[in-house]
Amino acid sequence: GNSVTQMEGPVTLSEEAFLTINCTYTATGYPSLFWYVQYPGEGLQLLLKATKADDKGSNKGFEATYRKETTSFHLEKGSVQVSDSAVYFCALSAETNAGKSTFGDGTTLTVKP
Amino acid sequence: GAVVSQHPSRVICKSGTSVKIECRSLDFQATTMFWYRQFPKKSLMLMATSNEGSKATYEQGVEKDKFLINHASLTLSTLTVTSAHPEDSSFYICSARPHRQSWSTEAFFGQGTRLTVV
Repeated sequence: GNSVTQMEGPVTLSEEAFLTINCTYTATGYPSLFWYVQYPGEGLQLLLKATKADDKGSNKGFEATYRKETTSFHLEKGSVQVSDSAVYFCALSAETNAGKSTFGDGTTLTVKP
Repeated sequence: GAVVSQHPSRVICKSGTSVKIECRSLDFQATTMFWYRQFPKKSLMLMATSNEGSKATYEQGVEKDKFLINHASLTLSTLTVTSAHPEDSSFYICSARPHRQSWSTEAFFGQGTRLTVV
C-alpha cells in the first residue's frame, strides 16, 4: 500500500536558520505530493504541492521538489522565522484513489528567536 | 475558492451521548468526502470515505456503527459519534474532493473539530 515516511522531530532551529524536513514515499503510479502545516489547535493548511516528477512546489519561502528517482519530496526554507513554528505533514494522494490522502507522522518545528 | 467548513469547531459532550459533526463544501460540489481522526501529537488517520448517495467505505478497524457517516447532498457530509466515550475524544478533520475536477488528486480540508467527551 501507499506510505509516507517523514523525518522524525522535533526540530528546533534558531531564527534565520536553514530548514530541511525529509519526506520519502512509497506508492504505485504517479501520486500527487503535498506539504501541509498545522498550527497549534488549528486544522490543516496546504503549504505547497507537486503533481508530477520534477515539479517544484513553493509558497511563503518554502520549497519542495518531486523527485521520482529517489521517491522524495523534501521541504526546505532558506531562512525560518518564529512564526514558522508548527507541525508539518507530508502527504500523498494516489491516482487510483484521488483525494484520499496518506500522511506522514508529522514533524514539529520550533523556531527560537 | 475550494473552501470546506466544519461545524462545530469544538464540542464537549457527556459520555453516552451522540455528537454530530458537519462538513460542508461551500463553493463546490463534492461527490466524495473523507473523514480523518488525529490523536494528540499524532498523524491523521483515515476513518472512512463518504460517497454522496451511497454508503460510506470504512477503513479497517473503524466501527461503522460507532461512527455513522451520511452524505446526503453534494455539499454536505456528516459524522455522528454515537454513544461517545472519553476514548473517542480526538480531533476530527474532513476533506472534500471537487466533483468537477475528476482529474485532480487534491482534496480540500476543513478546519477540524475538537471533540472532548467527559
